[in-house]
Amino acid sequence: EVQLVESGGGVVRPGGSLRLSCAASGFTFDDYGMSWVRQAPGKGLEWVSGISWNGGSTVYADSVKGRFTISRDNAKHSLYLQMNSLRAEDPALYYCARGGDTEPYYFDYWGQGTLVTVSS
Amino acid sequence: QSALTQPASVSGSPGQSITISCTGTSSNVGGYYYVSWYQQPPGKAPKLMIYEVSNRPSGVSNRFSGSKSGNTASLTISGLQAEDEADYYCSSYTSSSSHVVFGGGTKLTVL
Repeated sequence: EVQLVESGGGVVRPGGSLRLSCAASGFTFDDYGMSWVRQAPGKGLEWVSGISWNGGSTVYADSVKGRFTISRDNAKHSLYLQMNSLRAEDPALYYCARGGDTEPYYFDYWGQGTLVTVSS
Repeated sequence: QSALTQPASVSGSPGQSITISCTGTSSNVGGYYYVSWYQQPPGKAPKLMIYEVSNRPSGVSNRFSGSKSGNTASLTISGLQAEDEADYYCSSYTSSSSHVVFGGGTKLTVL
C-alpha cells in the first residue's frame, strides 16, 4: 500500500524558516518524481514544487521560487521542502504527492498534509 | 484567480448525473491531454479520479468519467451517491509556465 506521511509543519514567524519532510513507503521511491501541493485554509489547491526521480530536475511555482527548495533522499525514501523567508501568504496545509513533476502531470497518491502557520 | 475556471458549486439528487466543467485556454486544457480530476471530501486529502482527460485509475468507480472539448474539460458523475459529496478540482499542464495549474474547485452537494 502506497503511503506518504508528511511532518515538520508548525508555527513560524514571518521571515522564518521551516523544513517539511515526507516519508514514502509501499512503492519503489526512486522510480517516481514527487511534488508538493499546498492548500490555504478554506481555499483551493496550489502546486508548489516538483522534483524528478533522481533529484536532477526541480521546478517551482513563481510564488515560491528563490525561497523554497525541494530535495529528496532516495536511500531514506524521503522528500523534503526547505521553506525560507516565509510570508503571510504561505500558511497552508502542505501535501506531499507522487508524480506531477513531468508528463503526464498528475498526482496519483497524496499524503494527509502538514500544517504551516505563519504568525508573529 | 485560478487559471482554470470551475463552477463554485453544483448539486444533484441521488441517482442523477451531474457534470462539472473546467475551462482554460489553448495553453493548458485546450492544448494538452494532461487534464486530471481530484476528489476531496471534507477534511481529507485529495484523491485522483481521472487522469489524461478520460482515464480512470484502478479502484475508481466507472460512474466517474472525463472528457474534453476545445478549451473545456468535464467530469461527469452518474448515479450520484451520498458518498460523492466532496470538493472536486481539475488540473492541467500549462505551457505558459511549464507547470501544473489547478481550477478553483467545485463543491458537489448531493441533495
